[in-house]
Amino acid sequence: DTAVSQTPKYLVTQMGNDKSIKCEQNLGHDTMYWYKQDSKKFLKIMFSYNNKELIINETVPNRFSPKSPDKAHLNLHINSLELGDSAVYFCASSQDQGAGMYEQYFGPGTRLTVT
Amino acid sequence: SQQGEEDPQALSIQEGENATMNCSYKTSINNLQWYRQNSGRGLVHLILIRSNEREKHSGRLRVTLDTSKKSSSLLITASRAADTASYFCATGNQAGTALIFGKGTTLSVSS
Repeated sequence: DTAVSQTPKYLVTQMGNDKSIKCEQNLGHDTMYWYKQDSKKFLKIMFSYNNKELIINETVPNRFSPKSPDKAHLNLHINSLELGDSAVYFCASSQDQGAGMYEQYFGPGTRLTVT
Repeated sequence: SQQGEEDPQALSIQEGENATMNCSYKTSINNLQWYRQNSGRGLVHLILIRSNEREKHSGRLRVTLDTSKKSSSLLITASRAADTASYFCATGNQAGTALIFGKGTTLSVSS
């Protein structure tokens, strides 16, 4: 069974469009995250949710809106896509808060290409 | 802001050789983690070392931590082609709400 799954794996879209990426974890974890990895492989935290509540929003444009319908899901909706949004987006989960205290489990990533 | 810096940025070795990657960080930490990322895949957790530990082993992996120098190293012994990947160190941010990753070391192991 896949621990952390994301859909879609690839997403190609035009500037100005709105798109969503879905994430689900079956590990029973309380905390979920969204990361953005740029073309130089630099990985940066975007959002962190604990028990469906937003814990951290790291200076991400408000065009990005995470939604956690339940503890096992954390979706990412992006409005008015821009060229600079092209990247690989990773969902991750951990047992609890206290980043650094717990290992994180990552999804396979969604490669977003904005043309 | 970036916490960890890996060194070297890229490393190429032959199968059977050892690979050493270093990580330096800026602020005090509770733990430090190492992750591996194969091409086109998500990150996989390798090892977590606590601030009161100096060394930790897991299979062919050996991690050291020197809190006085704010540095850690990851040693992979007897490398295999399957070890070809990017390796990242990560520490918790000040608030403890997120992991901060370094830029990574890209390891290439040729057979």
